[in-house]
Amino acid sequence: GQNIDQPTEMTATEGAIVQINCTYQTSGFNGLFWYQQHAGEAPTFLSYNVLDGLEEKGRFSSFLSRSKGYSYLLLKELQMKDSASYLCAVRVSGYSTLTFGKGTMLLVSP
Amino acid sequence: DVKVTQSSRYLVKRTGEKVFLECVQDMDHENMFWYRQDPGLGLRLIYFSYDVKMKEKGDIPEGYSVSREKKERFSLILESASTNQTSMYLCASSFERGTNTGELFFGEGSRLTVL
Repeated sequence: GQNIDQPTEMTATEGAIVQINCTYQTSGFNGLFWYQQHAGEAPTFLSYNVLDGLEEKGRFSSFLSRSKGYSYLLLKELQMKDSASYLCAVRVSGYSTLTFGKGTMLLVSP
Repeated sequence: DVKVTQSSRYLVKRTGEKVFLECVQDMDHENMFWYRQDPGLGLRLIYFSYDVKMKEKGDIPEGYSVSREKKERFSLILESASTNQTSMYLCASSFERGTNTGELFFGEGSRLTVL
């Protein structure tokens, strides 16, 4: 099976930068996903990494190191609307399913 | 835009009742999934399907069954609801062709309370 760890909660200030880490142990790694989920809403796709390195998409970036089993999501210029849960998920080769971490609740304060 | 629609946002059922949760997607996706989401436990996979009439068990299939008679529709069935099945149920779909990422598209969720 897979084991995915991410911090339970984080707090940050509006305008700041925050990094949410995710570590995983799996065999046959075939991609890592980050999702954002606001309270009471469906998760929405943020980013995908399958090769080592940084993927940038506006204020959000995601990094992957396959050798270390490590990823992070970087959020810049934080806004109040970024307060949400951030879910790290891993896909294994040969499967379309994703295994999710328990999520990191980010609270952005003024 | 991909649309995944779950039939009910909120349901309240009694212990022992049979419960149907319906999910429809409008983008001709091959893959469909049912997850449940609980505080402190995250999203856990119940069942998934790669094609019509095909189903595979996920990590927590006990107490559930599924049906996929048409490509666009994937139903989750609780044969005899129990209080420990009180949860948020999320349906998702995906496809894998060419260079797409295969990300999951989620419905709004169905919050089920079993009394």
